[in-house]
Amino acid sequence: EVQLVESGGGLVQPGRSLRLSCAASGFSFDDYAIHWVRQAPGKGLEWVSGISWNSDNIDYGGSVKGRFTISRDNAKNSLYLQMNSLRAEDTAFYYCAKTMGRGLYAGGYFDYWGQGTLVTVSS
Amino acid sequence: EIVLTQSPGTLSLSPGERATLSCRASQSFTSNYLAWYQQKPGQAPRLLIYGASSRATGIPDRFSGSGSGTDFTLTISRLEPEDFAVYYCQQYGSSPRTFGGGTKVEIK
Repeated sequence: EVQLVESGGGLVQPGRSLRLSCAASGFSFDDYAIHWVRQAPGKGLEWVSGISWNSDNIDYGGSVKGRFTISRDNAKNSLYLQMNSLRAEDTAFYYCAKTMGRGLYAGGYFDYWGQGTLVTVSS
Repeated sequence: EIVLTQSPGTLSLSPGERATLSCRASQSFTSNYLAWYQQKPGQAPRLLIYGASSRATGIPDRFSGSGSGTDFTLTISRLEPEDFAVYYCQQYGSSPRTFGGGTKVEIK
C-alpha cells in the first residue's frame, strides 16, 4: 500500500525557517517524481514545488521561489521542503504528492497524496 | 502562468442527478495534461481523472472527463451520496502547474 506521511509542521514566527519531511513507503520511491502542494485553511490547492526521480529537475511556484528548497534522499525514501523567510501567507496544510512519472511533466498528475502537515506562520 | 477557471463555484443537486463541471484554461497546454481531483472535508485530494479523460484506478465509471485545448468537463452521471465534495481541475503540462479554484457539489 502506498503511504506518504508528512511531518515537521507547526507554529513558526514570520521570517523564521521550518523543514518539512515526507516519508514514503509501499512503492519504489526512486522511480517517481514527487511534489509539494499546499492548501490554506478553507481555500484551494496551490502547487509549491516538484523534484524529478533523480533530483536533476526541480521546479518551484512563483510565490515560494528563492525561499523554499525541495530535496529528496532516495536511500531514505524521503522528501524534504526547507522553508525559509516564512510569511503569514505561507500558512497552509502542506501535502506531499506522488506522480506517475520520473520527470516533472509526463505522467505528472498526483496519484497519491499524504494527509498533510499544518504550517502556521504567526507572531 | 496558465489560469484555470472552474464553473460553477457551487452546484446544488440531488442524489441521482447528473453533474457537469467546467474547467476553462487561459491558454492551451501540452497534450491535454489535465487532471481532476475530489476532496472531502478533512481529507487529502483524490485523483479521479488524468490525461483529460482517463479514469484513475478504482474510480467508478459514473465519473468521466472530456475536453481538449482550453475547455474541459468532468461529468458525474448519477450522483451518489459520497460524491458531494469539492472538485478541482489541474494542468500539469506547463510550469507552473496550476489548479482551478474548485467547484463545490452540494446536496440540494
